[in-house]
Amino acid sequence: DTAVSQTPKYLVTQMGNDKSIKCEQNLGHDTMYWYKQDSKKFLKIMFSYNNKELIINETVPNRFSPKSPDKAHLNLHINSLELGDSAVYFCASSHAGPYEQYFGPGTRLTVT
Amino acid sequence: AQSVSQHNHHVILSEAASLELGCNYSYGGTVNLFWYVQYPGQHLQLLLKYFSGDPLVKGIKGFEAEFIKSKFSFNLRKPSVQWSDTAEYFCAVNEHQAGTALIFGKGTTLSVSS
Repeated sequence: DTAVSQTPKYLVTQMGNDKSIKCEQNLGHDTMYWYKQDSKKFLKIMFSYNNKELIINETVPNRFSPKSPDKAHLNLHINSLELGDSAVYFCASSHAGPYEQYFGPGTRLTVT
Repeated sequence: AQSVSQHNHHVILSEAASLELGCNYSYGGTVNLFWYVQYPGQHLQLLLKYFSGDPLVKGIKGFEAEFIKSKFSFNLRKPSVQWSDTAEYFCAVNEHQAGTALIFGKGTTLSVSS
């Protein structure tokens, strides 16, 4: 049973395209997150949703738009992809409160 | 703003050697502290966490960490490493309240030779 799943695992696309990454968790958590891991493996928060409501929105370009259709899903849509968007994107979830976060397997996005 | 510093960028050890990875954070309030591990090609897994109570916490796979509030540190230790411990190790903190994001250190690559 996968706790936090992401699709696709790999995504190769050209500059200017629009793509989406999906995330689902079956842990019954209220809060979900998107993190970006760059080529130097540095992880940084992008967005956080609690009960479908956006609560954290870091300084991320407007081309990135998260959507949470329900508590168990948090998708990430990226418009007009740029070379600098190449990274590994991790979804995570946690209970609402000071709890640990559980991470998905990551989506490796390569923009050519 | 919070920040996390991991002092060791790349650590190379032989099997059975002892390990200590440094982690310091900057934040004046109450924090939760974590160590995550990322094995090659895999996702992040929680090694251990500290919320409150005993500052010496034990995690999975024989790892432990000590929270020293006066030093703003949360160092990770293991008495005897194995080849399978080869991975990337991340220290992270978040504020002691609901739904806050993890602030990560830049990670430490541990290479263990057999």
